[in-house]
Amino acid sequence: AQTVTQSQPEMSVQEAETVTLSCTYDTSESDYYLFWYKQPPSRQMILVIRQEAYKQQNATENRFSVNFQKAAKSFSLKISDSQLGDAAMYFCASNTGNQFYFGTGTSLTVIP
Amino acid sequence: NAGVMQNPRHLVRRRGQEARLRCSPMKGHSHVYWYRQLPEEGLKFMVYLQKENIIDESGMPKERFSAEFPKEGPSILRIQQVVRGDSAAYFCASSPFSPRQRYEQYFGPGTRLTVT
Repeated sequence: AQTVTQSQPEMSVQEAETVTLSCTYDTSESDYYLFWYKQPPSRQMILVIRQEAYKQQNATENRFSVNFQKAAKSFSLKISDSQLGDAAMYFCASNTGNQFYFGTGTSLTVIP
Repeated sequence: NAGVMQNPRHLVRRRGQEARLRCSPMKGHSHVYWYRQLPEEGLKFMVYLQKENIIDESGMPKERFSAEFPKEGPSILRIQQVVRGDSAAYFCASSPFSPRQRYEQYFGPGTRLTVT
């Protein structure tokens, strides 16, 4: 079975600053994807970014980028130039087989 | 293209009643997943369905819970004889491809079930 671990229940960042959210995972699969989802107070799950495990290049989506360390099974999310709208729960997830495996989430607060 | 639709958004049931949660996947998506989110926790996989077939129900409790995805109409998650511990947010997700193709899932807004 896969596990996804987010060791930071809460994080805060000053507006316009950069913050990094940590995620580690454990899998025996060689082919898998990794994702970061954002869940604002509306509870809608929104895909932020995804990474294919076979790709060495780190994924980037505007202000969001990942640091994917396959050997260490680490998949952190970096948010640059943080904005008030970035405040939300962030979930790291991986999928292999028929399932998505989610971490327990990191609550991000953005301080004006 | 409308997103994944779930209804109702909020559902209140008394202990012992039945809860029926509906999910309409995005147009063109034939793969549907149900997840449960307990307070302060991440999403936990319950079941994966394709049209008229349950592919993987390994995350669904063996008793009182059932799911279907008929040829026509939405997917239904049914919880019989609800108990307080069933109170949670239930999310549906859909995808145009099978999980083996490693595509992301698109999530609905969730149904918050409260059992009194």
